[in-house]
Amino acid sequence: DTGVSQDPRHKITKRGQNVTFRCDPISEHNRLYWYRQTLGQGPEFLTYFQNEAQLEKSRLLSDRFSAERPKGSFSTLEIQRTEQGDSAMYLCASSSMSYEQYFGPGTRLTVT
Amino acid sequence: RKEVEQDPGPFNVPEGATVAFNCTYSNSASQSFFWYRQDCRKEPKLLMSVYSSGNEDGRFTAQLNRASQYISLLIRDSKLSDSATYLCVVPSGGGADGLTFGKGTHLIIQP
Repeated sequence: DTGVSQDPRHKITKRGQNVTFRCDPISEHNRLYWYRQTLGQGPEFLTYFQNEAQLEKSRLLSDRFSAERPKGSFSTLEIQRTEQGDSAMYLCASSSMSYEQYFGPGTRLTVT
Repeated sequence: RKEVEQDPGPFNVPEGATVAFNCTYSNSASQSFFWYRQDCRKEPKLLMSVYSSGNEDGRFTAQLNRASQYISLLIRDSKLSDSATYLCVVPSGGGADGLTFGKGTHLIIQP
């Protein structure tokens, strides 16, 4: 399968703990995006990389959130000191030069 | 006006019928538009891209009305497998490369 992959698929953590998610984009795609989706809402944009450069961050991305794409391939999203409001599906997408983005299966985070 | 607005539904439609729903957007500078399909607890999947006045792919037709700032999705001869949430998507604009998603329209095809 050469689609976007994400790991883990599910994560349950206690409030205050740190979590890290990984995304592997489609290999020839140089753009990588992170979104967050809660029940009944569409995905909300968090941040965007072109190759290894983080070019854009949403105001939704508080200072507890950090994302990296060190070699322009896979990316990680870390949430520090998790809060119950962080519970959501975290989606990664990748694209080439167009706006057509292809999504991974997501990581479902539950903060207890 | 909200950035991307959709009627959340649900639209309950008998199998074989034609169904259409609209999406309005606020960024008049947008040049490209997308419809994504999302099944329950799954990721969004790209259904159609619209770069000019419209696009057709089999039973699906998307049309763009720039003057009124809306796009529509028409599904003909609906199948049970068409049941899903349909997300209208517009580039965020302002030099940003993210996408702005509507909340989605929930479609239920009934046998």
